[in-house]
Amino acid sequence: NAGVTQTPKFQVLKTGQSMTLQCAQDMNHNSMYWYRQDPGMGLRLIYYSASEGTTDKGEVPNGYNVSRLNKREFSLRLESAAPSQTSVYFCASRDRGFSTDTQYFGPGTRLTVL
Amino acid sequence: GQQVMQIPQYQHVQEGEDFTTYCNSSTTLSNIQWYKQRPGGHPVFLIQLVKSGEVKKQKRLTFQFGEAKKNSSLHITATQTTDVGTYFCASRPFGNEKLTFGTGTRLTIIP
Repeated sequence: NAGVTQTPKFQVLKTGQSMTLQCAQDMNHNSMYWYRQDPGMGLRLIYYSASEGTTDKGEVPNGYNVSRLNKREFSLRLESAAPSQTSVYFCASRDRGFSTDTQYFGPGTRLTVL
Repeated sequence: GQQVMQIPQYQHVQEGEDFTTYCNSSTTLSNIQWYKQRPGGHPVFLIQLVKSGEVKKQKRLTFQFGEAKKNSSLHITATQTTDVGTYFCASRPFGNEKLTFGTGTRLTIIP
């Protein structure tokens, strides 16, 4: 049981380049999320997917797109990277049960845009 | 949406001292969750509180949810070096997918 996995762990881009961050979970969770974390800013929600086939904007969606490829996988794409997108990106999935509501986070992708 | 403010932003304590972080909201919260993030790591779920006035304990950690459900606290007794990290509170309105995080309290321990 790997939990939530993310690739790559580190990435350096030049301004204007594009890339896709991959995320997968093996816990059969319906909901998945993408967050970015900047110093002193906590975690801010970029996009989320409540179920396979649906995606919705979070707090800071501009400059990003997402794809919920199937129940396991939720990818985040930067079409034209900007220095302001330098951050740590976390993917998460949600375990929602009768008496539980827990988010499990992946190890993160550390992205630098030059 | 629900917004939560967390204080203090930083806390340095001697090993063995107690530590408390506070989470406050101007609106009534449906629930409160607490997460811990070790340096260089990812957030890890600690606990969820739902009921007004609820108190839960995990070994040296005590979590409280205020009577008015507008504030919460995490108290660590006799800190150890393993407690180092950033502690976040978070809240999600009922029926809503969005979990809003506080800005976190970064705890450092002086051996």
